[in-house]
Amino acid sequence: AQKITQTQPGMFVQEKEAVTLDCTYDTSDQSYGLFWYKQPSSGEMIFLIYQGSYDEQNATEGRYSLNFQKARKSANLVISASQLGDSAMYFCAMRGWGGGGSNYKLTFGKGTLLTVNP
Amino acid sequence: DGGITQSPKYLFRKEGQNVTLSCEQNLNHDAMYWYRQDPGQGLRLIYYSQIVNDFQKGDIAEGYSVSREKKESFPLTVTSAQKNPTAFYLCASSIGDRLGETQYFGPGTRLLVL
Repeated sequence: AQKITQTQPGMFVQEKEAVTLDCTYDTSDQSYGLFWYKQPSSGEMIFLIYQGSYDEQNATEGRYSLNFQKARKSANLVISASQLGDSAMYFCAMRGWGGGGSNYKLTFGKGTLLTVNP
Repeated sequence: DGGITQSPKYLFRKEGQNVTLSCEQNLNHDAMYWYRQDPGQGLRLIYYSQIVNDFQKGDIAEGYSVSREKKESFPLTVTSAQKNPTAFYLCASSIGDRLGETQYFGPGTRLLVL
């Protein structure tokens, strides 16, 4: 079984500052992928960034970077230079590749609500 | 523009009624998925399909049914057997079923029970 834990129900950040959203995971799969999605109030899930378990370097996509610490089973999202439009729910998700029916689905955490203050 | 469309945006269901949520994609993706989101929760998988004319149950399939007659379309029916259908339903698709392939989501349908 896979599990994603996001311990921060809500986070506040000042515009133009950086913020880290925490994510820890648990899986018995040897290979897995970690994803971050953004969900604005409109409801659509927007893909932000992906990290594979065998990737040696942390993933980056523009202002988003993923701080991947495999031994600690953490995959924190770092948003640099926050903007007002970054205010949204953020979900960490994982997908395993170890058989047992885990290959096809994303397992999601409960999310963190980020509010960017002007 | 390529993407995933879901309709309707809002759907109201009466007691004992079956309702169908539409999901269409023009991304030429093989795999499609249905997720349910309850307030304050992450998403849970209802059904998924890796290829036309084939689909598999997810974690919470009871009370739901799907079909995959065309590559572009993956409609979800919420049957009267689903006793607590009020939720936000999201359809997703991916190129295939490999580990690193990203699932892209539609705008969602909000289902409410009258």
